Amino acid sequence: GAVVSQHPSWVICKSGTSVKIECRSLDFQATTMFWYRQFPKQSLMLMATSNEGSKATYEQGVEKDKFLINHASLTLSTLTVTSAHPEDSSFYICSARTSESSTKNIQYFGAGTRLSVL
Amino acid sequence: EDKVVQSPLSLVVHEGDTVTLNCSYEVTNFRSLLWYKQEKKAPTFLFMLTSSGIEKKSGRLSSILDKKELSSILNITATQTGDSAIYLCAVAGSARQLTFGSGTQLTVLP
Repeated sequence: GAVVSQHPSWVICKSGTSVKIECRSLDFQATTMFWYRQFPKQSLMLMATSNEGSKATYEQGVEKDKFLINHASLTLSTLTVTSAHPEDSSFYICSARTSESSTKNIQYFGAGTRLSVL
Repeated sequence: EDKVVQSPLSLVVHEGDTVTLNCSYEVTNFRSLLWYKQEKKAPTFLFMLTSSGIEKKSGRLSSILDKKELSSILNITATQTGDSAIYLCAVAGSARQLTFGSGTQLTVLP
């Protein structure tokens, strides 16, 4: 199956610093990647849709200047949490669609990144 | 706004029991419904359903979609402790994004 790698798996940072999270499709090209946020015991909340070579589409209520998304190649999307604060602490998960799965809307997920802001 | 509701929110059973998880949805221009299993980290894909009445089966897991009732069920027979996880239901609509339900936390006791 399609493999999505996400790095780092866990990061602790001081308040005010920026954190970059990488999402890579290892064995396929992904024109579209998605970034989700998940709070404890809650479901996945879509933050933004990342399209290769164009600007990301953010969901309502998600600050685009706070959560910078770059999808520079068909295998890599990055999410940068800028000037992180404790309320940004969460589990961030990326996903990707293959060109085949796009017609079926199947998304394959990375392992997630646990962000803790002190 | 698309909406997905899962029930029950949590379920505790013993090994060998059979469980049924429910998912109902409201979505504009339904395309597909997907089930995922989330253990500690990333959700892993289980099934994708697009047509009513056609059961998808994988081992002890099976799922079926009822488009008339706007719902789906996920059955797990002869449960094992390894089935303990959060089971997520998601629906793809006209925007081709996935809207997730809150999940069902399944705990299988030995």
